[in-house]
Amino acid sequence: DAGVTQSPTHLIKTRGQQVTLRCSPKSGHDTVSWYQQALGQGPQFIFQYYEEEERQRGNFPDRFSGHQFPNYSSELNVNALLLGDSALYLCASTRTGLGYGYTFGSGTRLTVV
Amino acid sequence: GIQVEQSPPDLILQEGANSTLRCNFSDSVNNLQWFHQNPWGQLINLFYIPSGTKQNGRLSATTVATERYSLLYISSSQTTDSGVYFCAVVVTTDSWGKLQFGAGTQVVVTP
Repeated sequence: DAGVTQSPTHLIKTRGQQVTLRCSPKSGHDTVSWYQQALGQGPQFIFQYYEEEERQRGNFPDRFSGHQFPNYSSELNVNALLLGDSALYLCASTRTGLGYGYTFGSGTRLTVV
Repeated sequence: GIQVEQSPPDLILQEGANSTLRCNFSDSVNNLQWFHQNPWGQLINLFYIPSGTKQNGRLSATTVATERYSLLYISSSQTTDSGVYFCAVVVTTDSWGKLQFGAGTQVVVTP
C-alpha cells in the first residue's frame, strides 16, 4: 500500500521564477492538503483540496495556487518566487469524514536563490 | 484560533532513558496526532489519538480531551528516536479540517 509520494525531493529556483510541486495521495484517501515548513518551525497550512476544489485556505498569498486531478493527485504552484519561499513543502492526505488521520509525504525541499 | 503548546522545547536523553512529552491545546478537538519528523524531513505518524491511551512498542500516548492535553511517552530510548516530535490538532471550519501544529520538541538521544 503506497503512502503519500511527492516529487521532486529537492529543487533550486531563482527568485522570480515559478515552481510546480506534485503529490499523489495514499491509496483510499481523497483529500489532499499542502503545508509549508520553514527551518526550525512547525508546518503551516497552505490549502486543502477535495473533489478538485479548494475547500480551505491558510494565510498565504495568491502566488500560491493548487490543483487536484480526478485521480486525487495534486499540484502546488508558486509564482514569482521570493527568497522567503525557501522551505520544506509537505503534502498530506486523508479520507473525508471524521475519524481519519493524516498521512504525510517526504516533502519537497525548495531553495530559492 | 486554537493554540497548541508543546513542552519541553528541547530534550537530551541518554540511550535507555524514559521521557514524557506534553501537548496542551486551548480548545476541544476531534482529532489529535503525534508525529516524528526524522532528520530527512519526513513526518511519520505515530498516533492518531483524540482520546484515551494507545501503545506501539516503546511508544505510548494518552490524550485527556476534557482537560485538553496529550502526553507522549518514550521508554528505553534509542538513538533512532532522535528528531522532532510534533503534536497536531484538527481545526474545523465549515466542516473542513486542517492540522494546527505545535512548535515541536527536539529530542536528541545520545549513545
